[in-house]
Amino acid sequence: DTEVTQTPKHLVMGMTNKKSLKCEQHMGHRAMYWYKQKAKKPPELMFVYSYEKLSINESVPSRFSPECPNSSLLNLHLHALQPEDSALYLCASSQEGQGARTGELFFGEGSRLTVL
Amino acid sequence: GESVGLHLPTLSVQEGDNSIINCAYSNSASDYFIWYKQESGKGPQFIIDIRSNMDKRQGQRVTVLLNKTVKHLSLQIAATQPGDSAVYFCAENYGGATNKLIFGTGTLLAVQP
Repeated sequence: DTEVTQTPKHLVMGMTNKKSLKCEQHMGHRAMYWYKQKAKKPPELMFVYSYEKLSINESVPSRFSPECPNSSLLNLHLHALQPEDSALYLCASSQEGQGARTGELFFGEGSRLTVL
Repeated sequence: GESVGLHLPTLSVQEGDNSIINCAYSNSASDYFIWYKQESGKGPQFIIDIRSNMDKRQGQRVTVLLNKTVKHLSLQIAATQPGDSAVYFCAENYGGATNKLIFGTGTLLAVQP
């Protein structure tokens, strides 16, 4: 199984709503990532978890709150978002640890978020 | 030809021709450089990577060239096929204890039959 599964595929929310994006992988990867991608732009790194601990936060606003409940799951909790936060949110995973440094991330198909 | 500006840079090629997609990177300390392919409605898909101590690496129909002197990366696709039509991103792994992949500006490859 070489898949990263993201749910939901589409989400529409108001600025006062609280919602969550979910990501799951069963490849035994110990690093998981959240990226944000606007139309016609490259993915922008948001968060990296390594062995279930947050290792990188790219100065993301606190209205985005990541969570890694276990090595297979990654969540992104959303609260009080702005319309400019509308984007495709991509989850990825990779091997981690000594000898695993390359650049091969496995991406899901993304959750397309629209904030009204 | 190529176009830049408000639109994604685009490379248009004929089916069967070779394609060359270029990228400039920014961080001299990056230890891996990677090419990803993103088809419409999908997440990026790994194509090939190259370590910073190499200058060329070949895969199936693809070759990546790295020129550290001018911080330039290129992807060559041989005998381009319609299925190669996608946006191609270069990425660099910033180094450190954790993989930190930063993506460059993409190029839309349009293959004409």
